[in-house]
Amino acid sequence: QKEVEQNSGPLSVPEGAIASLNCTYSDRGSQSFFWYRQYSGKSPELIMSIYSNGDKEDGRFTAQLNKASQYVSLLIRDSQPSDSATYLCAVIPYNNNDMRFGAGTRLTVKP
Amino acid sequence: NAGVTQTPKFQVLKTGQSMTLQCAQDMNHNSMYWYRQDPGMGLRLIYYSASEGTTDKGEVPNGYNVSRLNKREFSLRLESAAPSQTSVYFCASSEGVVTWGYGYTFGSGTRLTVV
Repeated sequence: QKEVEQNSGPLSVPEGAIASLNCTYSDRGSQSFFWYRQYSGKSPELIMSIYSNGDKEDGRFTAQLNKASQYVSLLIRDSQPSDSATYLCAVIPYNNNDMRFGAGTRLTVKP
Repeated sequence: NAGVTQTPKFQVLKTGQSMTLQCAQDMNHNSMYWYRQDPGMGLRLIYYSASEGTTDKGEVPNGYNVSRLNKREFSLRLESAAPSQTSVYFCASSEGVVTWGYGYTFGSGTRLTVV
């Protein structure tokens, strides 16, 4: 079992819709959780982090964490074509100081 | 403010050649990391340095060495390149301990091909 699993996609949504990206992790003791966006041929950029159960909102982005079910999700409201990218989920396992990344979900927002 | 600077951006090596990938950050970050990214496998940690003077192995350290030259610079060396090391290499830095919610700032990457 991979430490961090994401559906590779592609996930396609129409412009203006809500995009929902999901991630599961294997280490129940994982502490902090991150979402990154990576455009093709570019480096990952941090969108947001979350470490408490529940929702955390930042502009059009909402991260959701459910530690009991070991999943974290990212919602993108009012999706724009500029949101088309690969989204990487990252997790800090228990007693570690580095992040473990999922392989990413490719999102396409169609005008 | 340049952030994290990696050089070179592209490199082609022959099997058995050596090279050093350079990384420097100007954000006064304590922690620095080297990852490789391969299709379908995500980012995998090669080595990291939690603070100046310390380095630790990550998930895939074989065939690599690192040097934390000072607080700003963290280099990655391939002593004898192999085709399996063909990948995109990213350097990253972090302000503090990632368990406290600090994310990474990534460099622009080095695309390495070993033939």
